[in-house]
Amino acid sequence: GAVVSQHPSWVICKSGTSVKIECRSLDFQATTMFWYRQFPKQSLMLMATSNEGSKATYEQGVEKDKFLINHASLTLSTLTVTSAHPEDSSFYICSAKEREGWNTGELFFGEGSRLTVL
Amino acid sequence: GEDVEQSLFLSVREGDSSVINCTYTDSSSTYLYWYKQEPGAGLQLLTYIFSNMDMKQDQRLTVLLNKKDKHLSLRIADTQTGDSAIYFCAEISTSGTYKYIFGTGTRLKVLA
Repeated sequence: GAVVSQHPSWVICKSGTSVKIECRSLDFQATTMFWYRQFPKQSLMLMATSNEGSKATYEQGVEKDKFLINHASLTLSTLTVTSAHPEDSSFYICSAKEREGWNTGELFFGEGSRLTVL
Repeated sequence: GEDVEQSLFLSVREGDSSVINCTYTDSSSTYLYWYKQEPGAGLQLLTYIFSNMDMKQDQRLTVLLNKKDKHLSLRIADTQTGDSAIYFCAEISTSGTYKYIFGTGTRLKVLA
């Protein structure tokens, strides 16, 4: 099956710094990637939809200047948490759908990135 | 609003069957999905069902769909300790842009 890789899987940073998380589709092209945030023991909350070559579409309540998304190629989307604060600590997960058609709508998920802001 | 509801927790003994339930809201969803999340990991698609089907069986997994009641269930036969995880049902929202709506997740614990 298609593979999506996230990096880093775990990052600790100081308050006020910025952190970049990468999401790569390894063996397929992804025109659309999705970024989710998951709080402990909770479901996934869609943050934004990342479209290759265009601006991301953010969900209501998600600060676009806080969470910068760039989808520069068909295999890479990045999420940058700017001026991170402890309340940004969370598990961030990306997913992607294949370029060719929606078919069954299956999304392929990265392994997730756990961010801890001190 | 768009809500996909699941019971939060299920505990079963190894070898028993597990049934995880889900209620969804978008009656026009074409596909409904079950994903599995192991601790500290991303989500893995277990199975999906097309909306014009009532049932789908895939080895130990059986999916039942009741469109009238907007109810989806996942039955795991002969549950093993390796099945312990969080299970999410999901639908594709067709209002506006296509996007996944995930359920609240059911934490399955399998006792040896």
